[in-house]
Amino acid sequence: AQKVTQAQTEISVVEKEDVTLDCVYETRDTTYYLFWYKQPPSGELVFLIRRNSFDEQNEISGRYSWNFQKSTSSFNFTITASQVVDSAVYFCALSAPGSYIPTFGRGTSLIVHP
Amino acid sequence: EAQVTQNPRYLITVTGKKLTVTCSQNMNHEYMSWYRQDPGLGLRQIYYSMNVEVTDKGDVPEGYKVSRKEKRNFPLILESPSPNQTSLYFCASSINRDSGNTIYFGEGSWLTVV
Repeated sequence: AQKVTQAQTEISVVEKEDVTLDCVYETRDTTYYLFWYKQPPSGELVFLIRRNSFDEQNEISGRYSWNFQKSTSSFNFTITASQVVDSAVYFCALSAPGSYIPTFGRGTSLIVHP
Repeated sequence: EAQVTQNPRYLITVTGKKLTVTCSQNMNHEYMSWYRQDPGLGLRQIYYSMNVEVTDKGDVPEGYKVSRKEKRNFPLILESPSPNQTSLYFCASSINRDSGNTIYFGEGSWLTVV
């Protein structure tokens, strides 16, 4: 069975701080995909990144970076120099051929104070 | 513009009054699904469809029905809504069942059953 754990329910930081959102996953499949989505207060779900299990290169996109470590089954997300607009709920998700149903974590609520 | 459109966005209804939440995508995607989002539980899949006339239960299908008569539309039907179905609902689509495909979400439908 697949599982995605986002242990941090809520994180509160002050603007310009760096923050890391943790995501730990479980799957028996050797091929799988990991995703991060952002849900701002308006409610929509915004796709941020997709990573396949064979690509362990870290990725950076502006202030966002992702650290994929297969050895620890983690796919952590770091926001550098956080801004108030980063305040949102962030979801990590796992999709693998072994299941027809993508698995989402319970989300981490990030609050960035001015 | 590639879109997943769901309606209504906001609805308050009474227990037992049948309602339908529509979902339409313009990307010719084969795979469509419905999720509900509840505090502390993250996103849970209700039903999914791999193509026209092919639907299957997700994690939490009780109290819901779906149909897929056309590729672009995937309505969610609550035959007899109850208060425990008060939730934020998302329709989603992706190219096909391949686990590596990005899932595109609608903007969400806030449903309250009183």
